[in-house]
Amino acid sequence: NAGVTQTPKFRILKIGQSMTLQCAQDMNHNYMYWYRQDPGMGLKLIYYSVGAGITDKGEVPNGYNVSRSTTEDFPLRLELAAPSQTSVYFCASSRGQPISYEQYFGPGTRLTVT
Amino acid sequence: GESVGLHLPTLSVQEGDNSIINCAYSNSASDYFIWYKQESGKGPQFIIDIRSNMDKRQGQRVTVLLNKTVKHLSLQIAATQPGDSAVYFCAERGAGAQKLVFGQGTRLTINP
Repeated sequence: NAGVTQTPKFRILKIGQSMTLQCAQDMNHNYMYWYRQDPGMGLKLIYYSVGAGITDKGEVPNGYNVSRSTTEDFPLRLELAAPSQTSVYFCASSRGQPISYEQYFGPGTRLTVT
Repeated sequence: GESVGLHLPTLSVQEGDNSIINCAYSNSASDYFIWYKQESGKGPQFIIDIRSNMDKRQGQRVTVLLNKTVKHLSLQIAATQPGDSAVYFCAERGAGAQKLVFGQGTRLTINP
């Protein structure tokens, strides 16, 4: 299994541009998550999904959108990028309750907005 | 609300010594706790977890202790090695919640 994969690894955006961060998992996990991690900080939850067609906001959803049309994919959309969105973005997945709450993380996407 | 915090942002230990990383949590209803290790430039990696009906769990060279009375979690790493250098995060799950809440992290550095 490839686990959780993310593309791209790095990206530089200009203010006001938009982009989609891709996330895919091949473990047939129901739950998927998007986090951002600012330098020297912990992980903040942006959005999560407990299954295809179901998404919910996390702690910091403003400026982002998600969709979950399949079990495998959970793309994160940035509209009108702002410097405050400069961060490392991690996607994660888990089997979900009641089986397991352990989350498996992808390698991250490092985004710079200038 | 839920919050998970750490007592120390950095910890420096001698190679071969034991390391203890601490974590405080505020939600007494949390029923699951997990430790992750994050090496530079990588995503977090699972180390060990514990449910609230336990107070200790051991893995390979690692032990997690849970003290629900004072809402404290610790990760002990035995015989610390250079490869243990990383940032360590604790996270908690509130009862019934579908997500984890992560703490800020502790950077562990190993002195030769």
